[in-house]
Formats: sequence, structure tokens, C-alpha cells
Amino acid sequence: DTAVSQTPKYLVTQMGNDKSIKCEQNLGHDTMYWYKQDSKKFLKIMFSYNNKELIINETVPNRFSPKSPDKAHLNLHINSLELGDSAVYFCASSLGEGKGFSYNEQFFGPGTRLTVL
Amino acid sequence: KQEVTQIPAALSVPEGENLVLNCSFTDSAIYNLQWFRQDPGKGLTSLLLIQSSQREQTSGRLNASLDKSSGRSTLYIAASQPGDSATYLCAVNSGGGADGLTFGKGTHLIIQP
Repeated sequence: DTAVSQTPKYLVTQMGNDKSIKCEQNLGHDTMYWYKQDSKKFLKIMFSYNNKELIINETVPNRFSPKSPDKAHLNLHINSLELGDSAVYFCASSLGEGKGFSYNEQFFGPGTRLTVL
Repeated sequence: KQEVTQIPAALSVPEGENLVLNCSFTDSAIYNLQWFRQDPGKGLTSLLLIQSSQREQTSGRLNASLDKSSGRSTLYIAASQPGDSATYLCAVNSGGGADGLTFGKGTHLIIQP
């Protein structure tokens, strides 16, 4: 039973294309996240989202947009892909929502390796 | 702005040794700290979560400590095994709730058989 799943595992595409990565969690969690791991293996938060609030890292270009059809899913849409978008993208989830809920252990998906040619 | 540093960046030890991985963070106002392992080409596996009010957590051969006032955490691995070879990541939650984690760059650990 996979707790946090992502599709596809690998994505190879041309510069300028638009693509989506899907994420699903079956943990009943309220909050989901997207992280980017760059070529130097450094992980950085892109978005966090619960059913009330989207928190965006200010360094993320507006070509990236999260979309949540329901609480168990948070998909990542990327428009006009650039070479620098090549990375591994990780989805994660945690139980809590809102500030002040401090016991948030985050669980990660297996990652999606995006290669932009 | 929170920054997380992990030392050493890489470590290679013979099987059976006990070892300590270090993590430091610049802003002591954290909600919790989480240790992960990442195997090559894989996702992150959560090892231990320490709440800001706790001093340590243990799981099997792993023990993580937290000294929030000094901005430090250590991960102690007892009786290391080749299967422990991986990259170990330290991450802090500074905002609580829906805020993301701030990660260190990891310690790449190799356990020699």
C-alpha cells in the first residue's frame, strides 16, 4: 500500500511544452506539498496546500501551478518548460493544517524525474 | 531565513562502527526536526521526528537528539551495517502546520562491508 504516489516516475519533454505531474496520498492527510530536488541534490519547498490555503515559495516562477481536485490529490502543472526545470520533483503530505499544529511528520512520494531537452 | 547545515558532507566507515551525523540550524524557533534517508534514485524515507519540546527520539539502532537552544541535532547510528548506506537528510519545520521543511544538503554515508 503506497502512502504517497506520483505519476509519472520519469518525464522527458521538449522545451516550451506544458506538462503535469500527479500526486495522490491515501493517508487521510490534510496538507500536501511539492518539493524540487536540483542537480546538486538540494531539496527546496515549492508549495504547501491544504483545503484552505496555498502557500507559495516566492522563488517559484508562476509557470508552476498546483491544482487540487480533492484533499487526496495535489497535481503540479508546469507551463512553457525550460531547461532549468529539469530536476526531481517530490510530493509529500502531512496530517496537520494551519499554523500552530506542530506535530507534522511529512511523508514523501517516490519522486518524478523531469528532463527538459 | 532558516538555514540548515549538515556535517560531514560524506562519511565512509567500516561495518559495525557507531557513528554520529550532525545537523545545525540558524533559527532556533522551530516546531520540529525530521531525519530522512534517501537511497539513490529513490524517495525520502522518514526516520525520526523530534518535536520542539523533545530532547531525543529512538527507533531501533537510530537515536536522534535535539538541542533547540543551540540549534543542533545529531543522528546516532549504532552498529552500522552496509544496508545503512544512503544519504541522510536533516530538515526543520520553522513555520508549523502547512509550512514546508527546510533541508540540509545531506550526509552521504557509505558503510564498508
